[in-house]
Amino acid sequence: SQTIHQWPATLVQPVGSPLSLECTVEGTSNPNLYWYRQAAGRGLQLLFYSVGIGQISSEVPQNLSASRPQDRQFILSSKKLLLSDSGFYLCAWSRGNEQFFGPGTRLTVL
Amino acid sequence: QQPVQSPQAVILREGEDAVINCSSSKALYSVHWYRQKHGEAPVFLMILLKGGEQKGHDKISASFNEKKQQSSLYLTASQLSYSGTYFCGTEWEGNKLVFGAGTILRVKS
Repeated sequence: SQTIHQWPATLVQPVGSPLSLECTVEGTSNPNLYWYRQAAGRGLQLLFYSVGIGQISSEVPQNLSASRPQDRQFILSSKKLLLSDSGFYLCAWSRGNEQFFGPGTRLTVL
Repeated sequence: QQPVQSPQAVILREGEDAVINCSSSKALYSVHWYRQKHGEAPVFLMILLKGGEQKGHDKISASFNEKKQQSSLYLTASQLSYSGTYFCGTEWEGNKLVFGAGTILRVKS
């Protein structure tokens, strides 16, 4: 069966510091991968999605970037965090129609 | 464009029924429904593909009216475990979902 992992689970970072969140999927090959952000009490905003290694589509202009160095690995990065980057970051995968979410990383920028 | 969900919130007693609606202004390929408990990731409930199908498992079912670009989620004989925020995700191009703002459902004993 397929599983999706995210780490870290929680993160507190100062404004201006760099960020690296990692997501890995097991039990499938060539999945579509997605990064979403959810602000407190709000809906899910698609940030990036990838259909293959090195193929990244950005949905919202911002100071975040994504990379997919391996088939089942998706990384979300920032060079300098802003206060507005705080939120719940969710990685998701799909192969076919259904999308499944990872456990998420709760990021607080102070 | 973000789909519109209604109602924004609903409170039920155990055993009561609820309907959550999701409307889009764009022609849809599919509609996905998720439930999210506080502090947790959304959990996939079901997907409905265009063709006006209806799906269900246990006491949760959904319909998709392709012509009206609407989907409804039906929860019957609600249980305490049904509490959470329900999101619809609409797909109108290439494997990308746009989510509604969510409907908060609270089931009381």
